[in-house]
Amino acid sequence: GQNIDQPTEMTATEGAIVQINCTYQTSGFNGLFWYQQHAGEAPTFLSYNVLDGLEEKGRFSSFLSRSKGYSYLLLKELQMKDSASYLCAVENAGNMLTFGGGTRLMVKP
Amino acid sequence: DGGITQSPKYLFRKEGQNVTLSCEQNLNHDAMYWYRQDPGQGLRLIYYSQIVNDFQKGDIAEGYSVSREKKESFPLTVTSAQKNPTAFYLCASSIDRPRELFFGEGSRLTVL
Repeated sequence: GQNIDQPTEMTATEGAIVQINCTYQTSGFNGLFWYQQHAGEAPTFLSYNVLDGLEEKGRFSSFLSRSKGYSYLLLKELQMKDSASYLCAVENAGNMLTFGGGTRLMVKP
Repeated sequence: DGGITQSPKYLFRKEGQNVTLSCEQNLNHDAMYWYRQDPGQGLRLIYYSQIVNDFQKGDIAEGYSVSREKKESFPLTVTSAQKNPTAFYLCASSIDRPRELFFGEGSRLTVL
């Protein structure tokens, strides 16, 4: 079966750092994705990890540990516009994406 | 500009009616997908198509139907057999495998 877990909500302060965790159990693994979705809008691609380690892209970084079935998205120097839902998704052995429920991040001044 | 266009953005229907959601892309992508999103939940796959004239059921295909007669178009019909159709529907495409999905703006369907 497929199971992807993320916290439902998180709150952080503008300028701070926040880490959003994702754990997964899937039938096979071909990569892990993070998407950002502002309320009422379509998701947009943030990052893709297939090998263990940290991928950095500006203020956003994503980490993967395949042996632990674990990933996190790290957001630095938080801005108000970072308030959104962050979706973790895993590509399984059948090349299909399974999404987690998403983490709603609220950034406060 | 290349992208994915979904229409209508908002749609209301009465119980027992079928409704078709449009999805058109000019990205020249082979693969197209339909997802459903309920409040506070993640995306669930309804149907997907990797080439023209071929499509596969996703996790929640019951009560839905699709066609893929052209590479650019992948319409979704929500039939009266779908018991709880009120949701946000997202169409997406990718070059081949879902390495990076490009999403449309979504269609919000409300059943009255």
